Amino acid sequence: GNSVTQMEGPVTLSEEAFLTINCTYTATGYPSLFWYVQYPGEGLQLLLKATKADDKGSNKGFEATYRKETTSFHLEKGSVQVSDSAVYFCALRGDDKIIFGKGTRLHILP
Amino acid sequence: DTAVSQTPKYLVTQMGNDKSIKCEQNLGHDTMYWYKQDSKKFLKIMFSYNNKELIINETVPNRFSPKSPDKAHLNLHINSLELGDSAVYFCASTSSAALEQFFGPGTRLTVL
Repeated sequence: GNSVTQMEGPVTLSEEAFLTINCTYTATGYPSLFWYVQYPGEGLQLLLKATKADDKGSNKGFEATYRKETTSFHLEKGSVQVSDSAVYFCALRGDDKIIFGKGTRLHILP
Repeated sequence: DTAVSQTPKYLVTQMGNDKSIKCEQNLGHDTMYWYKQDSKKFLKIMFSYNNKELIINETVPNRFSPKSPDKAHLNLHINSLELGDSAVYFCASTSSAALEQFFGPGTRLTVL
């Protein structure tokens, strides 16, 4: 079946550092891929998405590229801010439901 | 003009009680979900309804019973609450055109 594996956290970085959160997937067919973000005390919200191979999703300085050859969708940001502290979920949508990774908690220190 | 809303936001109750959580979406979506998020932030899908019809029912105790009176509402009733039911419960909705899911703000359930 479909599955998503993302790097375990927590990840702690200083402000303005470069961020990478790894995500790989297993799926039949051609799933859509997502990154969701959950700020403290809130629900998940969509950060970015990509629907086909080589697509790049981007939002709020975050980027991720759909790599079919490596079945990956790694999240990157060039310069993180304290306000980026949150839990990040990689997800894929196959036929009828979205499969979420276990989440990666990110702490950004001022 | 909240897209997906849940009530209550917090729910504290005793073991053995019965409680309900309500969810409403005003996005015109036809599919709604309930998720349980544990203390480690792991998200587990519980149920999914499409056009008021149950389409996903993961391995969840039958003390949990979803009800969808119409496409815009999906409620969750829990009987005989147990300590292990303590978690944050999220409602979400989607449509085939939307691809992504839209989440409510969550209901933090604490069973004492």
